[in-house]
Amino acid sequence: DIQMTQSPSSLSASVGDRVTITCRASQSISSYLNWYQQKPGKAPKLLIYAASSLQSGVPSRFSGSGSGTDFTLTISSLQPEDFATYYCQQSYSTRITFGQGTRLEIK
Amino acid sequence: QVQLVQSGAEVKKPGASVKVSCKASGYTFTGYYMHWVRQAPGQGLEWMGWINPNSGGTNYAQKFQGRVTMTRDTSISTAYMELSRLRSDDTAVYYCASEKWELPWGQGTLVTVSS
Repeated sequence: DIQMTQSPSSLSASVGDRVTITCRASQSISSYLNWYQQKPGKAPKLLIYAASSLQSGVPSRFSGSGSGTDFTLTISSLQPEDFATYYCQQSYSTRITFGQGTRLEIK
Repeated sequence: QVQLVQSGAEVKKPGASVKVSCKASGYTFTGYYMHWVRQAPGQGLEWMGWINPNSGGTNYAQKFQGRVTMTRDTSISTAYMELSRLRSDDTAVYYCASEKWELPWGQGTLVTVSS
């Protein structure tokens, strides 16, 4: 199975900061990479699909980039509602796999 | 609207089985694989497997081979995940998710395994 390595595992930041989370695949996955946001007690919510496409209804401060094995999720200016856990997920293989998550906390 | 609605929380004893349902609406149920993902308390997301609602074909994560069975009923657009020989470390929230990733996931079903 394809391994997804996400970093950092946790991150402290302030409202208004620019934040970047990275995800690396153990083999090339082209652009078959999704990013999710999860808040406590809720199902994951899709933010970015196909590495860089913004899901409908998601604020434009979220963006994704990358292809092959290296990907990034960027939040351009953190808002209070963005403090959550973020996961990457590869859909190149139908045997999907997730990164271990990045917990974004308020500094 | 498009939604996946899962069955309610379950409490089971070790060694028992649990069957979780996921009813799809607002899209073509047979058009996309249905995945099952679980999340233990305080942990990350773990893929369990998928079912092809059209053919009934399945693909399970090796970790769950022999203990998990995924089925579907196309007449009511519902997928099922049954996990047998439950252990305490199977305590988790279980989610269904369509492979049309733009669609929202199910709300999750908490399965608690406790004697």
